[in-house]
Amino acid sequence: AQKITQTQPGMFVQEKEAVTLDCTYDTSDPSYGLFWYKQPSSGEMIFLIYQGSYDQQNATEGRYSLNFQKARKSANLVISASQLGDSAMYFCAMREGHKFYFGSGTKLNVKP
Amino acid sequence: DAGVTQSPTHLIKTRGQQVTLRCSPKSGHDTVSWYQQALGQGPQFIFQYYEEEERQRGNFPDRFSGHQFPNYSSELNVNALLLGDSALYLCASSTTDNLNEKLFFGSGTQLSVL
Repeated sequence: AQKITQTQPGMFVQEKEAVTLDCTYDTSDPSYGLFWYKQPSSGEMIFLIYQGSYDQQNATEGRYSLNFQKARKSANLVISASQLGDSAMYFCAMREGHKFYFGSGTKLNVKP
Repeated sequence: DAGVTQSPTHLIKTRGQQVTLRCSPKSGHDTVSWYQQALGQGPQFIFQYYEEEERQRGNFPDRFSGHQFPNYSSELNVNALLLGDSALYLCASSTTDNLNEKLFFGSGTQLSVL
């Protein structure tokens, strides 16, 4: 079974609108971490946001928020007020022990 | 404060050759992980080094090996290269005592096997 599933290969959003990128995960470990990374065309992976499995509140980092639904095993990324510079690949990842598992990514295109 | 640095940035090899990729972790980090990212896919975990030992390994053959030096820098070696080894190889560093263990990535080495 896939550890991380991202079902949206590509998404379009209008500039200044909000967008939600989906992520579901699979683990039986009670302690894990969930991450979102952005990968522009330059290739470098940029950390966006983190959610721990025991965190009670959803994580927020500026325009990024993580909608954590533990029972559903989902960790969707919400980007508010999209900007042209947000166009990139977005990867959901899970830390289980010392291993990180990444999804296949969602390519986000922000339209002017 | 330098982040994670990788060298070289690009590399072209032929089938059967051997390659060594290098990584210097972010200052203060003691753990280095290597990932393979094929075109259009997410990074796949190769292995992780801590205290100069391979701590965990992903589903990669023994042709992939590594090393960590006392200064925490690391090398990834791939022997008997196959066409399918063509990919972006990412190095990531972290601190083991950080429960969040956020990964900081380098810009990667683009390996092309002809």
